[in-house]
Amino acid sequence: AQSVAQPEDQVNVAEGNPLTVKCTYSVSGNPYLFWYVQYPNRGLQFLLKYITGDNLVKGSYGFEAEFNKSQTSFHLKKPSALVSDSALYFCAVRNTGTASKLTFGTGTRLQVTL
Amino acid sequence: DGGITQSPKYLFRKEGQNVTLSCEQNLNHDAMYWYRQDPGQGLRLIYYSQIVNDFQKGDIAEGYSVSREKKESFPLTVTSAQKNPTAFYLCASSLEESNQPQHFGDGTRLSIL
Repeated sequence: AQSVAQPEDQVNVAEGNPLTVKCTYSVSGNPYLFWYVQYPNRGLQFLLKYITGDNLVKGSYGFEAEFNKSQTSFHLKKPSALVSDSALYFCAVRNTGTASKLTFGTGTRLQVTL
Repeated sequence: DGGITQSPKYLFRKEGQNVTLSCEQNLNHDAMYWYRQDPGQGLRLIYYSQIVNDFQKGDIAEGYSVSREKKESFPLTVTSAQKNPTAFYLCASSLEESNQPQHFGDGTRLSIL
């Protein structure tokens, strides 16, 4: 079975400061990893994915994520947070098998304040 | 613009009533999915379909039914057997390859009258 853990329900950061949203995963074999963002009453928007190769993945809106195989982590980062980054963030994992499902974490609410 | 359209945005169900949530995509994606979102629980997979006229149960299929008669459409029916249907329902689609991201609609919020 595969699983995703997002250990923080909420992350608070001041605008202009760096932000990190944590994600660890468990999967048999090699993972495909994804980050999504959700604004209130909207669907999920894709931010970035790790498939293979470089452990540092760059995505939309200045976000990036670092894949760490030994720690089974895929933390989302941004060097300088904006108030408009405030939203709900989901990490998701999928086994590299074509028939596997996408498993989501429970989400982390990011609150960026002035 | 290519995308996924879910309708209606808000839906109310009476006791004993079946309701159908619409999902249409014009992304030419083979795979489509239905998720249920409850506060603090993330997204849970209800049903998914990888090809027309075929679909599989997800983790919480009881009380729900789907059809996939056209590539573009994947409607979800919430039946009276679903005793706790109040939730935010999200439809998604993707290319069939597992390394491709899913694209989501803007959801339907279902409540009980």
